[in-house]
Amino acid sequence: NAGVTQTPKFQVLKTGQSMTLQCAQDMNHEYMSWYRQDPGMGLRLIHYSVGAGITDQGEVPNGYNVSRSTTEDFPLRLLSAAPSQTSVYFCASSSGGWGETQYFGPGTRLLVL
Amino acid sequence: AQSVAQPEDQVNVAEGNPLTVKCTYSVSGNPYLFWYVQYPNRGLQFLLKYITGDNLVKGSYGFEAEFNKSQTSFHLKKPSALVSDSALYFCAVRRNTGGFKTIFGAGTRLFVKA
Repeated sequence: NAGVTQTPKFQVLKTGQSMTLQCAQDMNHEYMSWYRQDPGMGLRLIHYSVGAGITDQGEVPNGYNVSRSTTEDFPLRLLSAAPSQTSVYFCASSSGGWGETQYFGPGTRLLVL
Repeated sequence: AQSVAQPEDQVNVAEGNPLTVKCTYSVSGNPYLFWYVQYPNRGLQFLLKYITGDNLVKGSYGFEAEFNKSQTSFHLKKPSALVSDSALYFCAVRRNTGGFKTIFGAGTRLFVKA
């Protein structure tokens, strides 16, 4: 199993550009989440999904959109990038249930100029 | 509201000495508590979790953590530190009702000196 994969590994954007961060998992996990990691702030939840067709907002959803059309994929869209969105983004999945462990992807480092 | 506090930005310990990384939490209801570790330029990896039962939880790589309900703490411990334990450690909490949101602490950098 590849586990959780994320593409791209690194991206530079100009302010106002849009892009999609890709996340895929091959573990048939129902639950998937997007986090951003900023120095001194830990990981903050952006959006999450508890199954195909079901998404919900986390702590910091503004400026980001998600959709979940399949169990495997959970893309994160930046509609109009801003410098404040410069961060490292992690996707995670778990098999569901509140006590289940999350499996994290390797991350996407995003720089918005 | 849920919150997690990791009061130390960095913990320094000599190899072979015991280590403790502190975590306190605030959550209504019963918590699910997790520890994750992050090595440079990598995603987070699961270490251990507390769901219910025995307050002392054992996890990967010789780590353990003790759940203390009265002090709302979940400190990570290891009897004998290794240089290879040097990494960034995150405590996380999730409620057992009302949603799947997981809240992470800010992280504690552990530095083990040879």
